Amino acid sequence: SQQGEEDPQALSIQEGENATMNCSYKTSINNLQWYRQNSGRGLVHLILIRSNEREKHSGRLRVTLDTSKKSSSLLITASRAADTASYFCATDHNDYKLSFGAGTTVTVRA
Amino acid sequence: IAGITQAPTSQILAAGRRMTLRCTQDMRHNAMYWYRQDLGLGLRLIHYSNTAGTTGKGEVPDGYSVSRANTDDFPLTLASAVPSQTSVYFCASSPVGGDEQFFGPGTRLTVL
Repeated sequence: SQQGEEDPQALSIQEGENATMNCSYKTSINNLQWYRQNSGRGLVHLILIRSNEREKHSGRLRVTLDTSKKSSSLLITASRAADTASYFCATDHNDYKLSFGAGTTVTVRA
Repeated sequence: IAGITQAPTSQILAAGRRMTLRCTQDMRHNAMYWYRQDLGLGLRLIHYSNTAGTTGKGEVPDGYSVSRANTDDFPLTLASAVPSQTSVYFCASSPVGGDEQFFGPGTRLTVL
């Protein structure tokens, strides 16, 4: 069954603002990953955070992980129109495959 | 080829027909996966393979079969298509299971 659940389901922000989305999961993980999907395209890997890490940065992306709360957040700073996409979290539960959530749809308004 | 490719891009299929979706990667990744994506449900794993010669069932395997005869190819077969199999199908690969996955462009399948 799907483990990751993203919140909110949809987010609309103004260009330049920050976007934050959250992911919760149910059982212990080896790592948690975030992916982006542009409309009609395949998913693209953004960042991977391991269970022993608490925070990770990549460019304008910041990911946090709280294993005690079984949750993660993805922050996109200074959003751009090109950040309009769906964002998915995926969890590896030590079984060599990923469980994806239903995603957060982000719209960045010019 | 650079990365992972899928064929066909889209297909309309009559119910009851057999269909094979093709997936090829040139990254020499050990693990490969098939997902279906339906509106509001995210990606659901159909079948996976952690290495050539082995396959496993995912969350929604019924009605689908796979084979992994070599490292590069991972075809997905619908033996007798049904309308509920209308979906977008994505193939993905990773160096090993649990790693970052690389996705193909998807196949949009409509079963009438």
